[in-house]
Amino acid sequence: QVQLVQSGAEVKKPGASVKVSCKASGYTFTTYGFSWVRQAPGQGLEWMGWISAYNGDTHYAQNLQARVTLTTDTSTTTASMELRSLRSDDTAIYYCARLVRGVGFDIWGQGTMVTVSS
Amino acid sequence: ETVLTQSPGTLSLSPGERVTLSCRASQTVSATYLAWYQLKPGQAPRLLIFGASSRAPGVPDRFSGSGSGTDFTLTISRLEPEDCAVYYCQQHGSPPYTFGQGTKLEIK
Repeated sequence: QVQLVQSGAEVKKPGASVKVSCKASGYTFTTYGFSWVRQAPGQGLEWMGWISAYNGDTHYAQNLQARVTLTTDTSTTTASMELRSLRSDDTAIYYCARLVRGVGFDIWGQGTMVTVSS
Repeated sequence: ETVLTQSPGTLSLSPGERVTLSCRASQTVSATYLAWYQLKPGQAPRLLIFGASSRAPGVPDRFSGSGSGTDFTLTISRLEPEDCAVYYCQQHGSPPYTFGQGTKLEIK
């Protein structure tokens, strides 16, 4: 079946970087793009960015553009999100989601908890 | 950037009641690109409604969506205890693909 499986929880110190992966299976990887969404404790859903799995085109949220990089690897059908210069307010659950044009984010990963603490 | 404003912020209702959640956009959103999600603690978000009014596979028919332009609604016709969650609207027509701030639904 179609699924996205994310990498495990991370604990990082302020100023460090984190890379979260999202392994896709059950469909043709290059057909759809991926978005990354995060939810900080007690907060709502925040869209971080989108990447095309077909050609690597990206769009980033303006407030994260300088610190985030999205990539895909068609050989391993994996999407990844790297966030640099981590701060305590980056502590959140990070989700990858498949974007189907005209439908929305129809398949989600299980989420990855990233904790930033000294 | 399209800002989505949801109301009310929190609702507390009893099983069997009908509820309507509102999502208002700061500029026109094509209905094709308006979606609703359900988020429960410890779970990933779940797509409920796409194209403003189409139910995603497996979503009970007590959930329905409507609207156009800048005003959209999600209606739950007969609340069940498992509908306790936070509901988000989202536009994915043009980036940034913004979410509303959410409506928390509590079941008495």
